[in-house]
Amino acid sequence: EVQLQQSGAELVRPGTSVKLSCKVSGDTITAYYMHFVKQRPGQGLEWIGRIDPEDDSTKYAEKFKNKATLTADTSSNTAYLKLSSLTSEDTATYFCTVWTRFAYWGQGTLVTVSS
Amino acid sequence: DIQMTQSPSSMSVSLGDTVTITCRASQDVGIYVNWFQQKPGKSPRRMIYRATNLADGVPSRFSGSRSGSDYSLTISSLESEDVADYHCLQYDEYPYTFGAGTKLELK
Repeated sequence: EVQLQQSGAELVRPGTSVKLSCKVSGDTITAYYMHFVKQRPGQGLEWIGRIDPEDDSTKYAEKFKNKATLTADTSSNTAYLKLSSLTSEDTATYFCTVWTRFAYWGQGTLVTVSS
Repeated sequence: DIQMTQSPSSMSVSLGDTVTITCRASQDVGIYVNWFQQKPGKSPRRMIYRATNLADGVPSRFSGSRSGSDYSLTISSLESEDVADYHCLQYDEYPYTFGAGTKLELK
């Protein structure tokens, strides 16, 4: 069974950056496009973007193009989401997920931006 | 970007009800709509894929349908475990876009 294990909660200062991880077990990461989704407290889901770990190609929602960077390390079967120039608007839970014949989600990483 | 207009934003329901949630796509997205269920503090769970296909392990009281640019999720004979938030997603075209979500609450 495929599992996505995300890194732990982060408390970060405004203006800084944070890098979240999503480790795939049960299969090779190159079998999937890895998507990342944002959910602010009490709000809906926002698609951030996706990476194809096979060739590192990426797609982003326009509003995240200067905010988020997706990368992948095939040797560790892990995808990463880096968020930069953090503000309170970035306080949210971030999910990694793959959607194929099956859909798998990580447990989410809560990022809190506060001074 | 394709807009997915989801309605209603919330719904007060009773056990045994038939519940329908709808997303209207701002342009053609074909069959490429997923429906997700999300319970508080949990990751979403895909219920329907390609507009009408029941995901593995999902009870048969859930169904998806399409009429033109309107996509619907229907829950027949609502059970307590179905009380949750529901989200539609179009994945026909980048950027993928979610509806704003529907919150089901018990009366």
